[in-house]
Formats: sequence, C-alpha cells, structure tokens
Amino acid sequence: NAGVTQTPKFRVLKTGQSMTLLCAQDMNHEYMYWYRQDPGMGLRLIHYSVGEGTTAKGEVPDGYNVSRLKKQNFLLGLESAAPSQTSVYFCASRTRLAGIETQYFGPGTRLLVL
Amino acid sequence: QKEVEQDPGPLSVPEGAIVSLNCTYSNSAFQYFMWYRQYSRKGPELLMYTYSSGNKEDGRFTAQVDKSSKYISLFIRDSQPSDSATYLCAMSESGGSQGNLIFGKGTKLSVKP
Repeated sequence: NAGVTQTPKFRVLKTGQSMTLLCAQDMNHEYMYWYRQDPGMGLRLIHYSVGEGTTAKGEVPDGYNVSRLKKQNFLLGLESAAPSQTSVYFCASRTRLAGIETQYFGPGTRLLVL
Repeated sequence: QKEVEQDPGPLSVPEGAIVSLNCTYSNSAFQYFMWYRQYSRKGPELLMYTYSSGNKEDGRFTAQVDKSSKYISLFIRDSQPSDSATYLCAMSESGGSQGNLIFGKGTKLSVKP
C-alpha cells in the first residue's frame, strides 16, 4: 500500500512549455485534490475531483487543467507554464476516518519555471 | 478576512517546553478540525482530528476546539527536536464537496536541544 504517490519529484520548465503532473493513489478513495503551496500563502486548492470522470475548480484554477480518467489517477496539466506557477504541488486523496472526512497527501512535486 | 487565520511564527522553544499552536476561524459551519504536521520538503501528514467541540489527547499531543470562540489549539507537551516542523490547522463543514478542507497558512516550530 503506497498511499499517494506523485511524479515527477522535481522539474524545471521554461516559460511557455507544457507538462503533466501525475498523482496516483491505491486506497480506492473517491475524492482527489491538487494544491499548490507557496511561502506565506499556505495550501491553495487548484482543482479537485469527486470521482472518476469528474473535475471541479478550486480556489486558484487558472492556467491549469485536470483529468480523472481512472479512479486511482488524477493528472494536473500546465499548458503554457509561467514563472508565477513556480511552486510546490501536492496531491491528496480523501477518506472518512472515525466519521471525519480527512485527506492524505503525497510527497509533492517541486516545479521551477524559468 | 480569510476563513482561517494562523500565526505563521516562526516559533522557537527549548526542548521539553510546552508548545501551544492556535487557529481562529470565521465560518460557524465548520464541524471537523484537523492538525497536520509538515516536515521540511515533505507532504503534510495528519496528526490529530476532532469533531465539534472538546478535547482529544494522543500521547504528547492534545487538540482543543472551542466552537463558541471559533478557536482551536494544539498543545505539545515535553517538546522534542523531532517535533520541529510546520503545523497546519485545517477544517471543513461536512461531507460531500463541503468536506473540502480549508487550511491555515501554518506555524513553523523549531525545538532546540
């Protein structure tokens, strides 16, 4: 049971390049999330999914797209990277623990856009 | 005003000290309250979770919720250098899409040997 995994761990992009971040979970959770974490800003929700084939916008969705073709995978895409997208990206999946909805996080992807 | 406010610190204490970390919130509909611990260059990990008001204890950690004051706390007794991390409070209203967590910005704690 690997929990939540993310690939890649680190990536450097040039402005205008595209890339896809992959999140995978083996816990059969319905809900999955993508966050970005920036100094002084905390965790901000980009997009989320309530189940296979669904996606929804979070707090800061602009410049990102997502897809949930399989229940265990949640992909985050940057079509044309900008320096403002330099950040640490975390994926999470959600479950009910002792009656409380809570989230489990992956190890993060560090993205630097030059 | 953000829904969840958390003093970012940094907070530096000597080993063995009692640490108090706090968050305030404005949404009275929040019912579920969590604390996450995040070590440097790692993902957040769930530390404590509580429902509604009251206290919950787990080893050296105690989580308190005061819904009347819209205030939650995490106490760490006999703090250790291994407790050095950023602590994030998080809360949600209920299940469904309202179960999405709202996070504080995190408090960075350093415990000196």
